[in-house]
Amino acid sequence: SQELEQSPQSLIVQEGKNLTINCTSSKTLYGLYWYKQKYGEGLIFLMMLQKGGEEKSHEKITAKLDEKKQQSSLHITASQPSHAGIYLCGAALGGSQGNLIFGKGTKLSVKP
Amino acid sequence: GAGVSQSPSNKVTEKGKDVELRCDPISGHTALYWYRQSLGQGLEFLIYFQGNSAPDKSGLPSDRFSAERTGGSVSTLTIQRTQQEDSAVYLCASSPWTSGSNEQFFGPGTRLTVL
Repeated sequence: SQELEQSPQSLIVQEGKNLTINCTSSKTLYGLYWYKQKYGEGLIFLMMLQKGGEEKSHEKITAKLDEKKQQSSLHITASQPSHAGIYLCGAALGGSQGNLIFGKGTKLSVKP
Repeated sequence: GAGVSQSPSNKVTEKGKDVELRCDPISGHTALYWYRQSLGQGLEFLIYFQGNSAPDKSGLPSDRFSAERTGGSVSTLTIQRTQQEDSAVYLCASSPWTSGSNEQFFGPGTRLTVL
């Protein structure tokens, strides 16, 4: 079974609308990382969350970590075409270091 | 500053051939990771190197896959006797391995197609 589940798998929103992507872990999280990927490119780091209840924002993107639920959410406010891409959550499930386990990603399309 | 670079960006090969993929990590980063991304499978961990420690090879799918890291810097991922199911984007990442953070910086990937 997938250790990190992302939902939804894909999302199409109208420009200007808000949206939320969720990432749920089946194991204890030692750190939750959000990345964005555009076709043909590598992953771009967005944010890292480590403590339960932690919330970080970068421009119009906010991420929260609910440690008890072993879940993180990524919220985009007033979406723009530049937000389009694949959003991936990654987690260090075996401790604070080492390789990351990734979800399968959420493909976001923003219609102008 | 220079990020993680990978070469080649694209590789097309015939089934049964060997291929080598190269990764140049960010200077000073002690940790280096290889991942594979394929349709339907998402991003899979393959192997990682940290300093002089023995590499963690737990993600390598078969003994046809191997990797080395020379001088604690450049890494080469080798796939022997390639199969069609090896077709994927191979991503390399490096990390400064600072306490409390495992932020990984990714390269653009090598798209491998096995005919």
